[in-house]
Amino acid sequence: QKEVEQNSGPLSVPEGAIASLNCTYSDRGSQSFFWYRQYSGKSPELIMFIYSNGDKEDGRFTAQLNKASQYVSLLIRDSQPSDSATYLCAVNLPGGGSQGNLIFGKGTKLSVKP
Amino acid sequence: DGGITQSPKYLFRKEGQNVTLSCEQNLNHDAMYWYRQDPGQGLRLIYYSQIVNDFQKGDIAEGYSVSREKKESFPLTVTSAQKNPTAFYLCASSTLTGVNGYTFGSGTRLTVV
Repeated sequence: QKEVEQNSGPLSVPEGAIASLNCTYSDRGSQSFFWYRQYSGKSPELIMFIYSNGDKEDGRFTAQLNKASQYVSLLIRDSQPSDSATYLCAVNLPGGGSQGNLIFGKGTKLSVKP
Repeated sequence: DGGITQSPKYLFRKEGQNVTLSCEQNLNHDAMYWYRQDPGQGLRLIYYSQIVNDFQKGDIAEGYSVSREKKESFPLTVTSAQKNPTAFYLCASSTLTGVNGYTFGSGTRLTVV
């Protein structure tokens, strides 16, 4: 069974701080990497994706990928209370069998305190 | 606008009853998926389909059935054999290999009464 591991949290940061969310994955054949945000009682929403080693920035969000270390991270700068949610890391592994094409971590719950 | 629609938003099932959850997409995606999410838990894959008239079991297929008669539609039936069906059900779709990620519907919350 391929795995994606995340710290379940909760991760608590003060408003305006940088939140750092981490994810490791087990299969070196993984091709693309995603971060989803899920508010309580709602469905997951794609907020970032990254395909190549290095950093990718979009507004206050930066995704970082290190394929050699099998590690993906998401940085949220100037954290706001509205960023409080569960963040799911997902890894694309076509032909994943009973796991489908995307393997999801269990999520990290982020709480941003005013 | 393209998207994925799940209905109903809330569903109540009596003991011993089968219920069907609807999922329709107009994104021209080949692959569709059904997940179950329990409170405070991650996503667990029930079934997925990559082509019309074909589907594969996920990790927790027992007590569920699906059909894929049209590319746009992938309904899920929760049968009476599913002993603990109360959960949040999510439908998703993607390109054939999922390399661009999944798009999720808004979910159906099923409760046994």
